[in-house]
Amino acid sequence: QVQLQESGPGLVKASETLSLTCTVSGDSISSFYWSWIRQPPGKGLEWIGYIYYSGNTNYNPSLKSRVTISINTSKNQFSLRLNSVTAADTAVYYCARDGDLGWLDSWGQGTLVTVSS
Amino acid sequence: NFMLTQPHSVSESPGKTVTISCTRSSGRIASNYVHWYQQRPGSSPTTVIYEDNQRPSGVPDRFSGSIDSSSNSASLTISGLKTEDEADYYCQSYDSSNHRVFGGGTKLTVL
Repeated sequence: QVQLQESGPGLVKASETLSLTCTVSGDSISSFYWSWIRQPPGKGLEWIGYIYYSGNTNYNPSLKSRVTISINTSKNQFSLRLNSVTAADTAVYYCARDGDLGWLDSWGQGTLVTVSS
Repeated sequence: NFMLTQPHSVSESPGKTVTISCTRSSGRIASNYVHWYQQRPGSSPTTVIYEDNQRPSGVPDRFSGSIDSSSNSASLTISGLKTEDEADYYCQSYDSSNHRVFGGGTKLTVL
């Protein structure tokens, strides 16, 4: 049973960079795609992007200019960096395992990141 | 790219059947699989239907999924409603560039 756990600062200042890490256990990260999704308070889900274990990435066009997703196979972790954040980036951020047919079959518990002015 | 449109909310009584629609704005609904997630307050989403109509193990057969090419939409049907089914439901698919696309979500109230 794969498990995912997000970690990182819960508070980020506006204009700075949001950085989160997802630690995967119970499965090797050297398979599947691995996605980041976010959910602003009281709103719906937004896909941010994914990374394949080979390092290939694919980003939501609306966020592409600010997003970087990377992977560390030796630590079974993948990471998210979102730069130049504003209050609109305040959200619960989830990491998830992503199949090649787009099915996000396992999710982390999510972590709330608040952007302060 | 395309959008997936869901009703903002639906409500039904316990024991009844409810259907939540998910309409694709452009391109054929059958072109790419649709998945459905349930999200209870304060929890992460979990899958109730994947690949249009498949149920993960542990999901009761009261949950079913289908696609309708004539309306270019996918549907999630929940029969024998229980109060525990009260949650937000999201459909999700992907486009030709493999970008994942979520519907806006539907709040199901079981009253």
